[in-house]
Amino acid sequence: DGGITQSPKYLFRKEGQNVTLSCEQNLNHDAMYWYRQDPGQGLRLIYYSQIVNDFQKGDIAEGYSVSREKKESFPLTVTSAQKNPTAFYLCASTDGLWDYGYTFGSGTRLTVV
Amino acid sequence: QQQVKQSPQSLIVQKGGIPIINCAYENTAFDYFPWYQQFPGKGPALLIAIRPDVSEKKEGRFTISFNKSAKQFSLHIMDSQPGDSATYFCAGGPSNTGKLIFGQGTTLQVKP
Repeated sequence: DGGITQSPKYLFRKEGQNVTLSCEQNLNHDAMYWYRQDPGQGLRLIYYSQIVNDFQKGDIAEGYSVSREKKESFPLTVTSAQKNPTAFYLCASTDGLWDYGYTFGSGTRLTVV
Repeated sequence: QQQVKQSPQSLIVQKGGIPIINCAYENTAFDYFPWYQQFPGKGPALLIAIRPDVSEKKEGRFTISFNKSAKQFSLHIMDSQPGDSATYFCAGGPSNTGKLIFGQGTTLQVKP
């Protein structure tokens, strides 16, 4: 079955540590997105990529980095510069056509310990 | 210009009731308005979507009403069931960018 796989499901980060969240899709979608979800704040866009080897900052990119070396993969690194990283992170993809809709992964819950 | 405002934050209805969730947007460049349903610990799933050239769209028990002049849209859930208990997000965006701006979410509880 086609879909988006996010791993790990739970991740714990120590102070000053960089961590990488994985996002893989087999939907042959061109565009991929990373959102952060906090209680009462909805989903906020971190980074997005509409094509391989190209990506743009979203509304809250500070403290995060991404790469898009393959169409199927869009990993997100949460760096030590992100001062409040505890959140639920969601990866999504779309084929970018006129009636596009996002397909979301199941999310990664990151906690600072 | 980029916000999508959603209300109420939470909603409790009895089984069979018709919960209504409202959203308002500011950016007139937005031309795609989806609603997503999210269960705890899961990613959101697309429920129904509308474009500004129609005023209403129905899919099963879910209906979107759209008021372009007021820049508002709403989700109605007919004959609500306990299984509809979830968090609902509205969103909007310009289809040429693929970027969606999400509302803050509404947590719906349908009591048996």
